[in-house]
Amino acid sequence: GAVVSQHPSWVICKSGTSVKIECRSLDFQATTMFWYRQFPKQSLMLMATSNEGSKATYEQGVEKDKFLINHASLTLSTLTVTSAHPEDSSFYICSALDRPSEPQHFGDGTRLSIL
Amino acid sequence: AQRVTQPEKLLSVFKGAPVELKCNYSYSGSPELFWYVQYSRQRLQLLLRHISRESIKGFTADLNKGETSFHLKKPFAQEEDSAMYYCALSASGFNKFYFGSGTKLNVKP
Repeated sequence: GAVVSQHPSWVICKSGTSVKIECRSLDFQATTMFWYRQFPKQSLMLMATSNEGSKATYEQGVEKDKFLINHASLTLSTLTVTSAHPEDSSFYICSALDRPSEPQHFGDGTRLSIL
Repeated sequence: AQRVTQPEKLLSVFKGAPVELKCNYSYSGSPELFWYVQYSRQRLQLLLRHISRESIKGFTADLNKGETSFHLKKPFAQEEDSAMYYCALSASGFNKFYFGSGTKLNVKP
């Protein structure tokens, strides 16, 4: 089946630093990738939709300059949390899609802890 | 606007009991509905989708357009079914998924 790899799985860093999270589709080409944020014991909140070769579409309330998304190839999307602060600590999950209206394939998620 | 509602945050049943996880949606077009499951410390996995009309791990879900529901059912719950279950809607023709808030199923021995 379709596999999505997310890296790193856990990162701890100091406040003010930038953190990059990678999302790769390993055995299929992902026309679209999604980035979600999940707070403890809550549902997934869609942050942005990323299409290869074009700018990401951000959901309302998500800061574009804070969460930079790059989808440079059909198998890789990156999320960079810039100048991270403790309130950015969360679980970030990516998913990938090869065709519209098909099920999304999810990565394992990245736990981000900002000290 | 699209919306997916899972009214129960937590559902506890005993092993062998029937279970029904509720999901209601609002969408003006023709939606595609999915159930995803997240076992402890694992990634979200697709459990089933309404268009395939199949049974996975004993679970079934029927899309009821009149009631705008897509409830997940299993006649005899097992302890290994304990997990978070998310109902999701995909608006036809679009790439977005809308997730419900999730229901934690706890199957007691």
